[in-house]
Amino acid sequence: AQKITQTQPGMFVQEKEAVTLDCTYDTSDPSYGLFWYKQPSSGEMIFLIYQGSYDQQNATEGRYSLNFQKARKSANLVISASQLGDSAMYFCAILGGTSYGKLTFGQGTILTVHP
Amino acid sequence: DAGVTQSPTHLIKTRGQQVTLRCSPKSGHDTVSWYQQALGQGPQFIFQYYEEEERQRGNFPDRFSGHQFPNYSSELNVNALLLGDSALYLCASSQWRGYSANEKLFFGSGTQLSVL
Repeated sequence: AQKITQTQPGMFVQEKEAVTLDCTYDTSDPSYGLFWYKQPSSGEMIFLIYQGSYDQQNATEGRYSLNFQKARKSANLVISASQLGDSAMYFCAILGGTSYGKLTFGQGTILTVHP
Repeated sequence: DAGVTQSPTHLIKTRGQQVTLRCSPKSGHDTVSWYQQALGQGPQFIFQYYEEEERQRGNFPDRFSGHQFPNYSSELNVNALLLGDSALYLCASSQWRGYSANEKLFFGSGTQLSVL
């Protein structure tokens, strides 16, 4: 079984600043994948970044990076140079080695970017 | 390159009715997963289809059923609708590479179902 915990219900950041969204996980699978998705008010779930449990380096995708600390079971998302369009709900999710599409999501963090 | 497309975008039904939601996967993807997202919650996994068969199922009753067609598109059927079935239904597609943990799922915009 997998579990994701996102302890920040809401976060605020000033435009052009960096922000870190927290995510901790728990799993009994030796191999797993960690995901971050963005969900604007329109409802679409947008894939941001992926980290495999055996990846040696932290994943990066443009302004998004994933701070993966395996021993602490954390997978924090860092957004650099925040933009107004980054205001949305952000979900952390985990996929186990035999999950076959069964992503387990956290409760989400609402990010608000102020001008 | 079209992403994951879902139809319809919105749907209103009454209790006891049946509904069918449709999903076309991203080009090159062969696997479709369905999720239910209640207001203010994270999505909950319903099931996944691969090679036209249900491969994995979440904790949903048999009223929820699905189908995958040879072109990889999929349908989600819900029978005997309840008020509690009101939610955003998301479809996600992926390309099966033989191992689950690196299965990158891409989502559509969802179908908002309201049951009155």
